[in-house]
Amino acid sequence: QKEVEQDPGPLSVPEGAIVSLNCTYSNSAFQYFMWYRQYSRKGPELLMYTYSSGNKEDGRFTAQVDKSSKYISLFIRDSQPSDSATYLCAIPGAQKLVFGQGTRLTINP
Amino acid sequence: DTGVSQNPRHKITKRGQNVTFRCDPISEHNRLYWYRQTLGQGPEFLTYFQNEAQLEKSRLLSDRFSAERPKGSFSTLEIQRTEQGDSAMYLCASNSVNTEAFFGQGTRLTVV
Repeated sequence: QKEVEQDPGPLSVPEGAIVSLNCTYSNSAFQYFMWYRQYSRKGPELLMYTYSSGNKEDGRFTAQVDKSSKYISLFIRDSQPSDSATYLCAIPGAQKLVFGQGTRLTINP
Repeated sequence: DTGVSQNPRHKITKRGQNVTFRCDPISEHNRLYWYRQTLGQGPEFLTYFQNEAQLEKSRLLSDRFSAERPKGSFSTLEIQRTEQGDSAMYLCASNSVNTEAFFGQGTRLTVV
């Protein structure tokens, strides 16, 4: 079983829709959870991170962690074409980040 | 631009040739990482340096791969006797303790 699993999509939604991106993880000891955004032919950039359970909001983005089910989510409200990218969940392990497969998202104008 | 810089951005090589990539981290960062990303997959960890010391290597890093970070500044990743399966994006990242890791734009390797 992979440490972090993510549905690769692709996911295509109309502009303005609410987007839900999800990952599951296997190790209940994980405490920090991150979301990276990667535009085509670019390196990943940190979008948000959360600690333990609960929600964290930053503008149109909300990160949610449910430790009881080992499930992490990223919600994008009022999605824009500029949000079109690959979204990667990541968990910091010892000396490295463990990434999910990435979900390719397209927002259609 | 004071971000992580990687060169070259693209490299096409014939199978069996050696290639070397360079990463210049953010100057105040003492930690440097190499990752490999294949199409449709997330980045996979290859190796980690703290200053000039290589402290961890993934089992993905076969004997054909070697990484160095002389003087704890820039780093190089060399692949010897390249194979088609080495075709991927090679990403470098840097940070300091308890800070966000910043990624470079990657070097895209195509082995033909």
